[in-house]
Amino acid sequence: NAGVTQTPKFQVLKTGQSMTLQCAQDMNHNSMYWYRQDPGMGLRLIYYSASEGTTDKGEVPNGYNVSRLNKREFSLRLESAAPSQTSVYFCASPRGQTGFDTQYFGPGTRLTVL
Amino acid sequence: GESVGLHLPTLSVQEGDNSIINCAYSNSASDYFIWYKQESGKGPQFIIDIRSNMDKRQGQRVTVLLNKTVKHLSLQIAATQPGDSAVYFCAELGWASARQLTFGSGTQLTVLP
Repeated sequence: NAGVTQTPKFQVLKTGQSMTLQCAQDMNHNSMYWYRQDPGMGLRLIYYSASEGTTDKGEVPNGYNVSRLNKREFSLRLESAAPSQTSVYFCASPRGQTGFDTQYFGPGTRLTVL
Repeated sequence: GESVGLHLPTLSVQEGDNSIINCAYSNSASDYFIWYKQESGKGPQFIIDIRSNMDKRQGQRVTVLLNKTVKHLSLQIAATQPGDSAVYFCAELGWASARQLTFGSGTQLTVLP
């Protein structure tokens, strides 16, 4: 998990509460991604940012918003949390838009929505 | 839509034996494939990749085989060690979704002493 940090590591929310997941990378990569991982399933892309100032929807964007604050930081916000958003969230940063061979993942945020 | 699936959700092997983890993909336009390893409580870690113009690629103790005819991908781990116990994911990247990987659901590999 070199180079990608996430906060918090664990979070419990009540339905309707909001929160922001933080991600930062120190590898000077342009691209940053947010995934969610549900039990027994592979990672699914929520949003990504190909470069500072740009964001695009992934496979499962509903209920989320993102902000690419600067080149280092990419945050994911849940405005009104729902139990269906209980998951493990991973931030990732590949070397480029196709540099997945050097994609580093953060340690994950384990979110429970009651 | 695209999908990447694994034949077996769990695999147990004896320490020192070779492991083979399989993956089927459905998008014939995919041209890049990756295997990731995920240990408990951690994020996925890149193991090895292969492009569609290849049918085999070797790394340190790992080999990936690609059969485009049947859209099948496999990961072979030689002399499996306890530290290899983890969930293994395959992922594919297609030219139509150049910025998005599609992940399989994973196979849990357990190495028995």
